[in-house]
Amino acid sequence: GENVEQHPSTLSVQEGDSAVIKCTYSDSASNYFPWYKQELGKGPQLIIDIRSNVGEKKDQRIAVTLNKTAKHFSLHITETQPEDSAVYFCAASKTGNKLTFGGGTRVLVKP
Amino acid sequence: DTAVSQTPKYLVTQMGNDKSIKCEQNLGHDTMYWYKQDSKKFLKIMFSYNNKELIINETVPNRFSPKSPDKAHLNLHINSLELGDSAVYFCASSEGAYNSPLHFGNGTRLTVT
Repeated sequence: GENVEQHPSTLSVQEGDSAVIKCTYSDSASNYFPWYKQELGKGPQLIIDIRSNVGEKKDQRIAVTLNKTAKHFSLHITETQPEDSAVYFCAASKTGNKLTFGGGTRVLVKP
Repeated sequence: DTAVSQTPKYLVTQMGNDKSIKCEQNLGHDTMYWYKQDSKKFLKIMFSYNNKELIINETVPNRFSPKSPDKAHLNLHINSLELGDSAVYFCASSEGAYNSPLHFGNGTRLTVT
């Protein structure tokens, strides 16, 4: 089955700096790659997703890149703010909605 | 007007008991899920229903039984609870069954003592 690895497990950045989280996946048939943000005591919330026919997608301060050949995708957050502090999860799936999640990255933005 | 709501939010019970968690979504979605998040925050799918039909059934002990009375509701019943069942259980829904964004509830923290 699919295996998704996520790095780093924790990331501390200064407010205003950029944060980058990287994920690799094992199944070359995977074609959907969402990113979720989980705040304390809440469920994960989708922040951005990318499909395999696209190499990059951007939404304001958040961008995701996908390298299908290398089987890795990354989340980039620019101009980080304290409210960006949370746990971020990458995930991958192929046909069907069976998402396999990475292990999560705890991001701390220091004011 | 919570989109995906789960009850209860916290559940503390003893080993061997049977308990249920309820989930309702008001998004009009066709597909609903149960995910388990362990103490290390790892998220793993357990079940998925599409229009009341079971479509994903991961390797989960048969003590766990999902039930979907209609497409807006998906409940999880757990028999003979064990210490290892302690986790946060998330219900989620999506518009379709194929690579659609998931909308998660806020979770039910189950503690088995």
